[in-house]
Amino acid sequence: DQQVKQNSPSLSVQEGRISILNCDYTNSMFDYFLWYKKYPAEGPTFLISISSIKDKNEDGRFTVFLNKSAKHLSLHIVPSQPGDSAVYFCAARGSGGSNYKLTFGKGTLLTVNP
Amino acid sequence: NAGVTQTPKFQVLKTGQSMTLQCAQDMNHEYMSWYRQDPGMGLRLIHYSVGAGITDQGEVPNGYNVSRSTTEDFPLRLLSAAPSQTSVYFCASSRQVINSPLHFGNGTRLTVT
Repeated sequence: DQQVKQNSPSLSVQEGRISILNCDYTNSMFDYFLWYKKYPAEGPTFLISISSIKDKNEDGRFTVFLNKSAKHLSLHIVPSQPGDSAVYFCAARGSGGSNYKLTFGKGTLLTVNP
Repeated sequence: NAGVTQTPKFQVLKTGQSMTLQCAQDMNHEYMSWYRQDPGMGLRLIHYSVGAGITDQGEVPNGYNVSRSTTEDFPLRLLSAAPSQTSVYFCASSRQVINSPLHFGNGTRLTVT
């Protein structure tokens, strides 16, 4: 049973436009959500996170939105750059758990075309 | 600053062979963990450790052993390799601070024939 779902395996956008990556979850006990970016032949790197007590968190070009009632979060990248081309993983942590026990989605491959 | 270092980068094993994937971190992180990444499956937790001498199972622990004798090192042992263990393995670590993000190594690509 997949508790964190990224239903779009891939997304292609033009440079300068907005990229929106989506993530849905089923476990209402999740209280902290993270996005990781992964380039080929490298490990995932932390991008941005959000606590369940918030509905938005911004860091430069990256914004994560959380809709708890819909169990949905999204990552917005504005403006998109070719260097943003990577696989993006959504991850969630259950309440009371430590940050190492993360449940990951399958990832979305973002391609930003020049 | 090396971060999380994994060796080897690539490995090919025959079914039934054993081996150890090495993981070392130089950030004095208390938490360390092993994930595997398979096509279409995302990252799945194999084993984790909250400190030296303490380990526990994750989501997919069967066929793997771990130990944590030092803060820095967290090796993953495959006891008798099977083709189903063909995967990319990532080691990760983090501070013992709430919501501290995981830092990942660059992975070991393992093929079992």
